[in-house]
Amino acid sequence: DAKTTQPNSMESNEEEPVHLPCNHSTISGTDYIHWYRQLPSQGPEYVIHGLTSNVNNRMASLAIAEDRKSSTLILHRATLRDAAVYYCILQGAQKLVFGQGTRLTINP
Amino acid sequence: ETGVTQTPRHLVMGMTNKKSLKCEQHLGHNAMYWYKQSAKKPLELMFVYSLEERVENNSVPSRFSPECPNSSHLFLHLHTLQPEDSALYLCASSRGPGIGGELFFGEGSRLTVL
Repeated sequence: DAKTTQPNSMESNEEEPVHLPCNHSTISGTDYIHWYRQLPSQGPEYVIHGLTSNVNNRMASLAIAEDRKSSTLILHRATLRDAAVYYCILQGAQKLVFGQGTRLTINP
Repeated sequence: ETGVTQTPRHLVMGMTNKKSLKCEQHLGHNAMYWYKQSAKKPLELMFVYSLEERVENNSVPSRFSPECPNSSHLFLHLHTLQPEDSALYLCASSRGPGIGGELFFGEGSRLTVL
């Protein structure tokens, strides 16, 4: 399975944008890039996914590099409720394999 | 509320006990998954079922036995567990196990093995 590399932790301030990076240099042409987040004491929840083009939804934006070897999850205006562990995952044929993720702390 | 319900939320068992974890989804999904989340470790995929057939078994010890009687229900039967099996067990479902499928997770069953 292709792997992803994320910083262990990041910190940001409330109401500021947050850019969470992910490297996936061994991505294959058919792998989708997924982002999930896990709030304390909850199961992971889907945030966004994409293949080649940048994607936007009500939660976040996903910017994918032209060579697809990296991507960035963008939270446009962080709130305290966005504090969570964010996972960048490549989805191959049948499964999602989670890495360690980035623990995001939001300061009031 | 994701539409995936897991029971019990907390379970304490001895090493000689037999217990089961239950997962239920009424989202009309065809694929269901068990993941294990140990402290300070990434989520580990344990089993994948598609249309009630097991399509993935990630070298999980036989003391964990999954059962998928229909597309809405998934069980994880536990017997003679070890203390290192203490973890959060997460169930998830998706429309299908293929590419692009969004996973919907339950809140997990926190298992403690004494």
